Order: sequence, then structure tokens, then C-alpha cells
Amino acid sequence: AQTVTQSQPEMSVQEAETVTLSCTYDTSENNYYLFWYKQPPSRQMILVIRQEAYKQQNATENRFSVNFQKAAKSFSLKISDSQLGDTAMYFCAFMKLSPSLVFGKGTRLSVIA
Amino acid sequence: EPEVTQTPSHQVTQMGQEVILRCVPISNHLYFYWYRQILGQKVEFLVSFYNNEISEKSEIFDDQFSVERPDGSNFTLKIRSTKLEDSAMYFCASSGLPDRGGTNYGYTFGSGTRLTVV
Repeated sequence: AQTVTQSQPEMSVQEAETVTLSCTYDTSENNYYLFWYKQPPSRQMILVIRQEAYKQQNATENRFSVNFQKAAKSFSLKISDSQLGDTAMYFCAFMKLSPSLVFGKGTRLSVIA
Repeated sequence: EPEVTQTPSHQVTQMGQEVILRCVPISNHLYFYWYRQILGQKVEFLVSFYNNEISEKSEIFDDQFSVERPDGSNFTLKIRSTKLEDSAMYFCASSGLPDRGGTNYGYTFGSGTRLTVV
């Protein structure tokens, strides 16, 4: 079974600084997808970024980028120029081709003014 | 931008009662899902539904749970006899078919229904 591990329960960052959230996963699959979801206090699940395992190029989405290391099974999220609105829980998630998502336990990020 | 719509946003029910949580997935999506998040814990997969039948379910999805697509737009989760431990946020999601073509098949979550069993 696939597992997703987020080893940082909480993190904080100063506004405008850069922060990296870590995620590792365990799978025997070769083809899969990885996601980062943001959950603000409203508890809605918002897709931040996704990565296809067959793509070597790291995904980027404006201030959000990932460092995908397939051999190491690592998928970290970098948030540049952090904003107060980035304060939220961040969940890393894994999906193989049967499309159920496996989530990590989340990292609570606080952006400090 | 297309949305997944869930109703109600909050439901309180007596233990032992039946509840139905409702979802309207994105209209051209083919896969529908229910996830659960107990307060303070991670999001857990319950069930996926494709081509009018369950395609995958987790250990959580036992006989007290059922899903249905009663018409062309709604997707429901029924809990037959609620227990205190069913109190959680329930998320509906929908997606297109996963593919390797790089297109965004749009795995999208609704805003959730907060279920409180008392």
C-alpha cells in the first residue's frame, strides 16, 4: 500500500520569505501523480500544484514550485515570496492510476507579518 | 471556473439516524469520490464511483455507507445509522480520466459537509 509522510507538523515563515515543505512517499508503482493541496481555515481543499511521475521537469505554478526526486521518492513544495494568505494546512497526496488519493497528515504553515 | 457543489454545508443528526450528503460534480467529469476528514486528522479516501458503479472503496466504507447517482447530476453518500465517530468533514470530488497526456483532468474537491452526530 502507498504511504505519504509529511515530517513537519508545523512550520512558520516570515512574510515575503521562502519556505519549503517536505513530503516523502512509498510506492512500487512507476507511473503515478503527486499533488499538494492547501486547506485554509474554511477547510476547503484547494489544489496548489500537481506533478506527473513520468515528467522529469519540476512543476511550477506562480510562486509555488516542487522539487520532485523520483529515485528518492521525495516531493517537496517551495513557496516563494510568502503571503499572509498562504497560511493554511498543506497536504501532500499520491495517486496511482486507480484514482483514489492517499494523503499525508499535513503541515500547518503560518505566515508571520 | 467549474465547481463541485456540496449540500448542506453543515448537518447535525442524532445517533442512529440516516443522513444523505449531496454533491453535484463537475458536469463533464467521469469519476466521483467521497473523502472524510475527522477533525485534526488527515483526509481519508472512502469510495470512488465510475460508470454507475463503485470502482474502489476503502476499509472505512463498510455496509453502513452507500453511494448513488440518482440522476445525471447528483452524487450522494448515505450513512444508514450514524455513530458518534462518523462526525467529520465529508468531501466530494470529481475528475476526468487520468491520462498521461499532460492535460489537467481536474481533480476538484467541493467545500465539504460538516457532519456532527450527537
